[in-house]
Formats: sequence, structure tokens, C-alpha cells
Amino acid sequence: NAGVMQNPRHLVRRRGQEARLRCSPMKGHSHVYWYRQLPEEGLKFMVYLQKENIIDESGMPKERFSAEFPKEGPSILRIQQVVRGDSAAYFCASSPDIRTGELFFGEGSRLTVL
Amino acid sequence: QKEVEQDPGPLSVPEGAIVSLNCTYSNSAFQYFMWYRQYSRKGPELLMYTYSSGNKEDGRFTAQVDKSSKYISLFIRDSQPSDSATYLCAMSAGATNKLIFGTGTLLAVQP
Repeated sequence: NAGVMQNPRHLVRRRGQEARLRCSPMKGHSHVYWYRQLPEEGLKFMVYLQKENIIDESGMPKERFSAEFPKEGPSILRIQQVVRGDSAAYFCASSPDIRTGELFFGEGSRLTVL
Repeated sequence: QKEVEQDPGPLSVPEGAIVSLNCTYSNSAFQYFMWYRQYSRKGPELLMYTYSSGNKEDGRFTAQVDKSSKYISLFIRDSQPSDSATYLCAMSAGATNKLIFGTGTLLAVQP
């Protein structure tokens, strides 16, 4: 059973460009979460999605960031007009059931903004 | 005040030692408590999961939750160099599995 798959693993963008990060959850998991990890900091919640719905986006910056989890295909975290402060590791996690409290994480996508 | 406090370390111990890692929290609504292990440049790996108060043991790992003190612990017995990693505590109130993480404790087990 494949784990949570994220791509790309590494992404370099110049200021002002767009970054798209993709996440395929574990088979049978319909709950997807995005977290951001800055150097020397813990993981910070960004957004929680189910198929075609955003359930909780309380951790998402109000501008430039968006997320989706379409009926078909992976979840996508999109960052428009990237700035140097967006450089971080972005982790996706999935869960089979929101009542269990268990999240399974991917290997992360590391974004570097030049 | 952060919702979850965790000493960042680093913590260095000799091989075979018992390691104690701890977190405190302020939100009394938390009822799911987890410990994740994260190797450098890798994703967090779920180690231990506990619901509400009590102890849970899995091999060399024991997780303890004391909700009255808002304090959780992870004990590692007979520590090995392969245990060298960052250990993250995480917790949620359970409504949506939105986890709140500590900043992580960097552990180094010296051979």
C-alpha cells in the first residue's frame, strides 16, 4: 500500500512566479491536510480538505495561497507570486477517518524562492 | 503563550540510555495525543497514538498522557543510534484531526 505521495520533492522558483505542489493521499483516505514547516519551527497547519470541499482553511495566508482536492486527481497547493518568505517544506498528510486523530505524512515538497 | 510547548534540545545520550521527551499544552479540549519521529529531510512518521489519559507501550516506546497536568511524555528504552531524529509531539481536539505540533526535540544517540 503506497504511502502519501508528494511531488515535486524539490522546487525552485524566482520571486513572482507560481508554485504548484501536488499530493496523492493513501488509498482509501479521503481527508487531506497541508502543513508548512519553516526552519527551526514546528509544523503549522494550513488547510484541511475532503473531496471537492475545503473544510478548514484557518491556517492559510489570506492572499496568494489556495488549495483544492478535486473529485479526480491529486490535491494541489498553489502559491501565486511567491516571495522569499514562502521558502519552506510543505507536507501533505492524509487520514482515513477524522475520528481517529491519526495523520500519515508524505515526504514533503521543499520550495526555495530565489 | 504557545498552545503546545516542547523543549527543542538538542538532547544527546549514550547508546542504551533511557530517553524522556516531554510536552506541555494549554488547551483542555485536546484529547488525541501523538508522537511523530522525523529524520532529517524526511516526512514525520507516526510513532505513538493515545486517546485521552493513560499509558501506551509499543516495544521500546512508552507514551504517557496526564490530562490533569496537561503534560505528555515519550520514553525510549535501550536507545539506539538509529533513534537519532527529531521527535514531535502533536495533539488535537478531534473534531477535524487538525493537529497542533510542538516545535520538536532533536535527539542524538551516541554509539
